[in-house]
Amino acid sequence: DTEVTQTPKHLVMGMTNKKSLKCEQHMGHRAMYWYKQKAKKPPELMFVYSYEKLSINESVPSRFSPECPNSSLLNLHLHALQPEDSALYLCASSQGQGSYNEQFFGPGTRLTVL
Amino acid sequence: AQSVSQHNHHVILSEAASLELGCNYSYGGTVNLFWYVQYPGQHLQLLLKYFSGDPLVKGIKGFEAEFIKSKFSFNLRKPSVQWSDTAEYFCAVTTNTDKLIFGTGTRLQVFP
Repeated sequence: DTEVTQTPKHLVMGMTNKKSLKCEQHMGHRAMYWYKQKAKKPPELMFVYSYEKLSINESVPSRFSPECPNSSLLNLHLHALQPEDSALYLCASSQGQGSYNEQFFGPGTRLTVL
Repeated sequence: AQSVSQHNHHVILSEAASLELGCNYSYGGTVNLFWYVQYPGQHLQLLLKYFSGDPLVKGIKGFEAEFIKSKFSFNLRKPSVQWSDTAEYFCAVTTNTDKLIFGTGTRLQVFP
């Protein structure tokens, strides 16, 4: 299984809602990532987990809260988002965190904040 | 700061034309280089990667890229494009920070 799956595919939420994005991989990878991609822009790194511990937080606002319950799962909890947070949220995984590791990307969750 | 530049923002070609997409990076140390492709409505997929060794790298779907260290470049090439190559192409690098830094992307449109 060489897939990274993400749910839901689409999410519409109001600014006062709380929602979660989920990501799963069964490749035995020990590093998992969250990226944000705005339309016609490259993905921007948000968070990196290595061996289920948060290793990189790219100064992301606290309304985004990542969680790695186990080595196969990665969540992104959303609360009090702003309309400018509307974007495609991509999850990725790699065998390890080092720079030689190829990252495998999921299809993304398209988030719209009203 | 490390950065990746892709100067071709939008490329339009006819089928069977040759393709070359430019990628330049700014970092003086050791880099690992990647080209990813994002087909319409699909997830990012790795086309090819360079870590070391032969600077001419062959990837999937007939793509290749050449690492020229003196020019800080990693251009993507394909001798004959197909309509199905229509996609967004991203060059990316990793350095000693382990972060994957993407270029701004090149949108390729291939017309039959």
